[in-house]
Amino acid sequence: QSALTQPPSASGSPGSSVTISCSGSGSDIGAHKYVSWYQQYPGKAPRVIIYEVNRRPSGVPDRFSGSKFGSTASLTISFLQTEDEAEYFCGSYAGNSKMIFGGGTKLTVL
Amino acid sequence: QVQLVQSEIEVVRPGASVKISCEGYRYAFSDYYIHWVRQAPGQGLEWMGWFDPQTGDTKFADKFQGRVIFTRNPYVSTVYMEVLKLESVDTAVFYCARGFRGGWTVGDHWGQGTQIIVSP
Repeated sequence: QSALTQPPSASGSPGSSVTISCSGSGSDIGAHKYVSWYQQYPGKAPRVIIYEVNRRPSGVPDRFSGSKFGSTASLTISFLQTEDEAEYFCGSYAGNSKMIFGGGTKLTVL
Repeated sequence: QVQLVQSEIEVVRPGASVKISCEGYRYAFSDYYIHWVRQAPGQGLEWMGWFDPQTGDTKFADKFQGRVIFTRNPYVSTVYMEVLKLESVDTAVFYCARGFRGGWTVGDHWGQGTQIIVSP
């Protein structure tokens, strides 16, 4: 199964908002509520920041929000801060007890 | 707090196998799936499969089926992933990650990653 499709890069100024898309298919994002987003700093393990499309684990600021429309999911980061500069990955349940990730989007905070 | 601790970096020859450990701390180890995720240098995350420490059930991504083995030692809350017939393209960081309970989300907690370098 092919990876979910993300733009390779995104950018925004401090205080602005940025939205990162994640495109899948009717077998993964389009079929299930199990869409997640991960933040990864260089040399570190990823951490989940959104799960089940739009739920935030405790400790994740409400500046991070998720949504889904059809087979495309989105992560929006509001009021960008310099510490948001990282790589972001989407993930989804793909049916048949399997999972799939996106290729990642490097966010630059200008 | 909950922690997953993985084995350290390994350098292996092409064609060899490698076995990585993932030990869970401070939670009921048998109650959560363990997922394995590969990340090649400068690349994205690649889901490899999951292992149920309670039943020993497994599921693999198609490309890893037949080349990856998951095992466990329940007495020390540890699962293992063995990757067979390594090639240079397998050079990557391998993560174990705990699955969300009752749902299909990977990684409410992650190991620190194990770097595997495949080199002649």
